[in-house]
Amino acid sequence: QVQLQESGPGLVKPSQTLSLTCTVSGGSISSGDYYWTWMRQPAGKGLEWIARTHSSGKTYYSPSLKSRVTISVDTSKNRFSLNLSSVTAADTAVYYCASLGAMDVWGQGTTVTVSS
Amino acid sequence: QTVVTQEPSLTVSPGGTVTLTCASSTGAVTSSYFPNWFQQKPGQAPRALIYSTSNKHSWTPARFSGSLLGGKAALTLSGVQPEDEAEYYCLLYYHGGVGVFGGGTKLTVL
Repeated sequence: QVQLQESGPGLVKPSQTLSLTCTVSGGSISSGDYYWTWMRQPAGKGLEWIARTHSSGKTYYSPSLKSRVTISVDTSKNRFSLNLSSVTAADTAVYYCASLGAMDVWGQGTTVTVSS
Repeated sequence: QTVVTQEPSLTVSPGGTVTLTCASSTGAVTSSYFPNWFQQKPGQAPRALIYSTSNKHSWTPARFSGSLLGGKAALTLSGVQPEDEAEYYCLLYYHGGVGVFGGGTKLTVL
């Protein structure tokens, strides 16, 4: 059974780059069954879809974040990552990694605060 | 910018039926948007209910169903239980893979 675990700093300074990693266990990140996705949710607000990637190499980004976001896959470490540059307080949120769709798996979420 | 619209709030009586909808600013929602529905209770992570319009996960209660209705994606709860009180989010996919969440519907069971 595939499980996901987010990791990364809980506090990031404004203008810096937020880097999060999602480690996949119980399965291969190269499996074509999964669409590896990053989402976030500011406190008290709704969900925001950020980006997703697939073993085929296809990658999709939210248009509103595309200029600042990169999603990447490290097959050697069975994990995928999110980099969000030039962060501001508006990027403070709980960040979730997941695979959505028929193969639905979620990490537990990790809180990231942007503050000096 | 694409906007996905849901009812901000709905109220239903226990045992009743309620339909939540999910509309796209680009026009009618079809199966090509692969509508997904999620439930989120306070303090918890979201939980998937429906994928690709009407497909249920193994954990999705039978009283939840997904469909397309009048150009929108729809989530119908039949025989609502008190534990169904939650926030519900829809997710649509555009251009083959870009996801956009709706703003969520707060469902009150009263």
